[in-house]
Amino acid sequence: DAGITQSPRYKITETGRQVTLMCHQTWSHSYMFWYRQDLGHGLRLIYYSAAADITDKGEVPDGYVVSRSKTENFPLTLESATRSQTSVYFCASRELAGDYNEQFFGPGTRLTVL
Amino acid sequence: AQSVTQLGSHVSVSEGALVLLRCNYSSSVPPYLFWYVQYPNQGLQLLLKYTSAATLVKGINGFEAEFKKSETSFHLTKPSAHMSDAAEYFCAVTRGGANNLFFGTGTRLTVIP
Repeated sequence: DAGITQSPRYKITETGRQVTLMCHQTWSHSYMFWYRQDLGHGLRLIYYSAAADITDKGEVPDGYVVSRSKTENFPLTLESATRSQTSVYFCASRELAGDYNEQFFGPGTRLTVL
Repeated sequence: AQSVTQLGSHVSVSEGALVLLRCNYSSSVPPYLFWYVQYPNQGLQLLLKYTSAATLVKGINGFEAEFKKSETSFHLTKPSAHMSDAAEYFCAVTRGGANNLFFGTGTRLTVIP
């Protein structure tokens, strides 16, 4: 399917476990982003990537790790999940040219940490 | 630093009534402004964006927004609400050279039949 997909859509895990959320886009967009959405906070940027093998921290990076070995994939790993990481996670992508270009969002992953 | 403030976390309107969702921005440089809509259990979809070409921006589904520099505002409007407009709406800001969007906390729109 064309577009941006996330998996899993729903995940329940326990405190201390490692969890990886997957993001895949078919447009060959250079930029990819991970946001978390929490009530009262809107969306906050966790990490972003400008190209394969180039990543940078966003507003709330602590407790998360990202990698980008291929342009189309941008996995987000919670190395040791905590209850405060219960959230809805959105992946997004954007073309290289134009800061005002639209970001395209995936459907989200709802993560619950018990 | 850049930020947006959305006034009103919940807005209710009757079907057919005017929709007005408020967004004020803070930016030390000329901003690019966006409105996104999120339907239940879905990702965000772009409604419209301001990129300095025109102060009145028309988007999808009959929505529009006006950039007012003097008021640092970018309010979203629709003349006549439809039941299908019920969703959460996010205002966001970025600037030239930035890599990410800064989102407001969102406004949930309820449309009353």
